[in-house]
Amino acid sequence: QSVLKQPPSVSGAPGQRVTISCTGSRSNIGADYHVHWYQQLPGAAPKLLIFGNTNRPSGVPDRFSGSKSGTSASLAITGLQAEDEADYHCQSYDASLSAWVFGGGTKLTVL
Amino acid sequence: EVHLVESGGGLVQPGRSLRLSCAASGLIFDDYAFHWVRQAPGKGLEWVSGINWNSGSLDYADSVKGRFIISRDNAKNSLFLQMNSLRVEDTALYYCAKVASAHIVPAHYMDAWGKGTTVIVSS
Repeated sequence: QSVLKQPPSVSGAPGQRVTISCTGSRSNIGADYHVHWYQQLPGAAPKLLIFGNTNRPSGVPDRFSGSKSGTSASLAITGLQAEDEADYHCQSYDASLSAWVFGGGTKLTVL
Repeated sequence: EVHLVESGGGLVQPGRSLRLSCAASGLIFDDYAFHWVRQAPGKGLEWVSGINWNSGSLDYADSVKGRFIISRDNAKNSLFLQMNSLRVEDTALYYCAKVASAHIVPAHYMDAWGKGTTVIVSS
């Protein structure tokens, strides 16, 4: 079982907006550790999508945005495109475990 | 462009050992820390181990502590994971991931990943 909780799947039609939640606890996200997001296209390695809660690496479209509040974080994708269909993983650090922790991943389906 | 290539995976019996390697190019290797992250079939990502730039700081997940050893050879731009006493639950795709820093600090993220090498532990 993953320390950070994500919905197993979300879906949306092209052009729509979807959000993916990442719920933690007081020992990780709630302890003010940064949340990062990774996109994993089918059959590919993870790719950094959002770092430091809200920052996009160079080359990532501004359709992707991250936010964090309390013990949770969210990834929002606007103007959904077919190429966004992938698994999305959140990641933070857990002080109780002294470990880098991930969510279970969310599969995004573009209808 | 950073390029990470993992190797050394394979099919191994429970209790045996395996050594994974990660060859890095396109970067000044000893400027960065690295992690090993694994993904069991159909599952999410799981952090395994991390090492800072000069091997002075090592970290392990509880699930592998005492069995796996992370190391690096800065002269050869290479990262390693020695996996001993392998268990069926160690079966996964193992990724080498670069940290955006020389240190394995909680706040830091993994900004480049290899394609992974598959480890299957089965009798």
